[in-house]
Amino acid sequence: EADIYQTPRYLVIGTGKKITLECSQTMGHDKMYWYQQDPGMELHLIHYSYGVNSTEKGDLSSESTVSRIRTEHFPLTLESARPSHTSQYLCASSGTGFINEQFFGPGTRLTVL
Amino acid sequence: KQEVTQIPAALSVPEGENLVLNCSFTDSAIYNLQWFRQDPGKGLTSLLLIQSSQREQTSGRLNASLDKSSGRSTLYIAASQPGDSATYLCAVSSLNDYKLSFGAGTTVTVRA
Repeated sequence: EADIYQTPRYLVIGTGKKITLECSQTMGHDKMYWYQQDPGMELHLIHYSYGVNSTEKGDLSSESTVSRIRTEHFPLTLESARPSHTSQYLCASSGTGFINEQFFGPGTRLTVL
Repeated sequence: KQEVTQIPAALSVPEGENLVLNCSFTDSAIYNLQWFRQDPGKGLTSLLLIQSSQREQTSGRLNASLDKSSGRSTLYIAASQPGDSATYLCAVSSLNDYKLSFGAGTTVTVRA
């Protein structure tokens, strides 16, 4: 059982608010990822990190930002939420070594009114 | 850019029938391939991972094959049950940077 946590699970917020989606893992994994998934659509990578103080933008352009100050923590921030940010956000992690299997958190469903 | 395609997009079968889900990818330079299950509104559960050097992996009623040279993988689910109803996602990991590229998924309904 993968130990990766996301909070909140659901968030309804007004336009213009700043939000932070939390993601934590207890597996000591060095790599962490954020994906965005609209209902019925594919997952798209928006940010990833290969270690502390390392962050990169993914394949899908996003107005969000991320930080990686601690190995276990990879929060995602939206400075000013807009209705176009309404989506499901999924966090994942994978470890060092040969296998590199990705494990996912339960997701945060964000609705911006 | 890696493109991953899953066929069919949806599948409905009676309980007990075997399921065959297909995944194809355009760039054979992959590190590994993962099959995931996603229930509505939930995260992804990893089902099977096949390394690029492997031909297949098995876990219980699930068996996944990989033909890297032709860019194809197949997930077999034996003796389907209503609890198998979910969306199944195929994802390939790039050889250079380990990033996953996902297919759109196959939504499976197993009728009791």
